Order: sequence, then structure tokens, then C-alpha cells
Amino acid sequence: QVQLVESGGGVVQPGKSLRLSCVASGFSFSDYGMYWVRQAPGKGLEWVAVISYDGSSKFYADSVKGRFTISRDNSKNTLSLQMTSLREDDTAFYYCAKESADFWSGYCDYWGQGALVTVSS
Amino acid sequence: VLTQSPATLSLSPGERAALSCRARQSVSRHLAWYQQKPGQAPRLLIYDASIRATGIPARFSGSGSGTDFTLTISSLEPEDFAVYYCQRRRGWPPQYTFGPGTKVNIK
Repeated sequence: QVQLVESGGGVVQPGKSLRLSCVASGFSFSDYGMYWVRQAPGKGLEWVAVISYDGSSKFYADSVKGRFTISRDNSKNTLSLQMTSLREDDTAFYYCAKESADFWSGYCDYWGQGALVTVSS
Repeated sequence: VLTQSPATLSLSPGERAALSCRARQSVSRHLAWYQQKPGQAPRLLIYDASIRATGIPARFSGSGSGTDFTLTISSLEPEDFAVYYCQRRRGWPPQYTFGPGTKVNIK
């Protein structure tokens, strides 16, 4: 079955960096676009970034552009999110999610359990 | 921008729920609905406005096109009490937007 397992969350000071990883299994990882979506505690969902199946195209929400970098290693079935210059409003659960069949649709049919990132001094 | 109404819906099991999602500009039929329960990741219910995702019960249906969309739950089951979000892709390069959510409470 499809599984997405995030890791790397934690508490970090403002201005510092953190890297999240998501290991995928149960599907052909290299065939699908992948997303990061975040959710501040008690708040709604916010799309963060998307990467194409082969890693050649990447797009970001304006709120993280220039600070976050999405990447993937298809040989290791791993999706990553490098977060720099973190701010307190980046505090959230970060979910990795698999795109359904339609490229760039935004439709995510499988999600990880989420990794909590807390930015606090 | 996506707006969802009502913000909260209080209903009893067995009742019908109708949740609204409105876009400021036409999104054709490129809209999805997700369900999220406390402490869980979102689950894709509906995509392309009206197509049920794999494994989603038939009591969930989606309708609409352009700017007005509706998620209908024909007869609420106890496990359906959750928050529901609509989502769309905007433009190119893509930007993805979620609505603020509708919370379906047990009355």
C-alpha cells in the first residue's frame, strides 16, 4: 500500500534552517509529482511547493519563495524540503503528498502523517 | 480566492449536508474536495468537481462548474463529522489554493 513517511520536524529558532524528508513506498515514486502542504495548528491548509515527477520543474507559494527548496531523489524514493530563514509564521504541520494521475492538477490522493515544525526563540 | 460556506454546519446523523465553495474567477471544473479529521491528514474525496476518488463512498457527491461548487453528503454517517476543504489550481506557473474549510459538527 502507498505510504508516505515524513521526518525531520522539530523546534528551530527564527532565522535558522531545517530539512524535512518524506520517504515513499507502495507506488512508482518516479512517475508522480509530489507536493508539500502545511497547516498551522488549528488553521487551514496551505500549499507550499510542488515538484514534477523527474524533478525538472518546481514551483513555490509566494510565502516561501526564495527561502524553501523542494527536491527529490528518485533512486531513494525520497522527497525533501529544505527550509531556510525560518520565521515564526512557518510554524505548522508539514505534509508531503502524492499527486494523482493528472500532472500539475494539485489533486493529492495520498498524504503523509505530517511533520511538526515549530519556529520559536 | 476560494470562499466556503457555511463556516460551520451542525447536523444530525442521517441528515443531508450541502457544502458550498465559490471561486472569484472561473476554474472550469478543476476543483477538488478534501476531508480532514482531527489529528489526521486530509483525504481526497472528489476531484474535477464531481469524480469520486478511489474508495470514497457513494454518499459523497460533487457538483458545479465555473465559480460555484457543492459537496453533498446524502446521509451523514458518524465518521463524516470533520472539516471539508475545497482546492483549486490557479494559473501558470501553478499556485494552489485551499478554501478556509467548512466544519461539519454533530448536532
